[in-house]
Amino acid sequence: DADVTQTPRNRITKTGKRIMLECSQTKGHDRMYWYRQDPGLGLRLIYYSFDVKDINKGEISDGYSVSRQAQAKFSLSLESAIPNQTALYFCATRDGGGLGNEQFFGPGTRLTVL
Amino acid sequence: QQQVKQSPQSLIVQKGGIPIINCAYENTAFDYFPWYQQFPGKGPALLIAIRPDVSEKKEGRFTISFNKSAKQFSLHIMDSQPGDSATYFCAASLRGAQKLVFGQGTRLTINP
Repeated sequence: DADVTQTPRNRITKTGKRIMLECSQTKGHDRMYWYRQDPGLGLRLIYYSFDVKDINKGEISDGYSVSRQAQAKFSLSLESAIPNQTALYFCATRDGGGLGNEQFFGPGTRLTVL
Repeated sequence: QQQVKQSPQSLIVQKGGIPIINCAYENTAFDYFPWYQQFPGKGPALLIAIRPDVSEKKEGRFTISFNKSAKQFSLHIMDSQPGDSATYFCAASLRGAQKLVFGQGTRLTINP
């Protein structure tokens, strides 16, 4: 089974709808991240969390919110989706107590906002 | 503000050639420079990483060259294979920040 899973894998929605993307991990990592990927722009950080009680904005947090329900679960919400939020969304995890800096990514969610 | 600039955006190389992808950064406080590889339909995965105290790091056919004075680093792939076709991202991180700043990505195609 995959260590970092994301649901749904694909979603098509309409402008104005509320959408939640979910991420779960079995790696036991404390750090979790949400990114969006757009062609020509790379990966941009939306929100990140160092533990259940620690949530931080990334470089493009406007229009998004997150919830860290447990150490293993980190959800991203779009309160009122708009077409320019059409993108590929990735969740990632990291072991904050480890010596390495590697982030482990989920398989991604392709979101289309019509 | 793009703190890490990556080029080219796309690259096509014949099998056996040596594709080179370049990145430049602005913040001299960055102290960790990884490269991630992403295949279609998958999330990025760490390929190789370097710290600024060394000028080169090799892992198999993949080499990072690092030029601290120029604030640039690059990825070289020796004896490239069609299976190396993927999108490659460079990134940088501040000591203790535990978050990465990514470049724009390079779509690499290795033709048979």
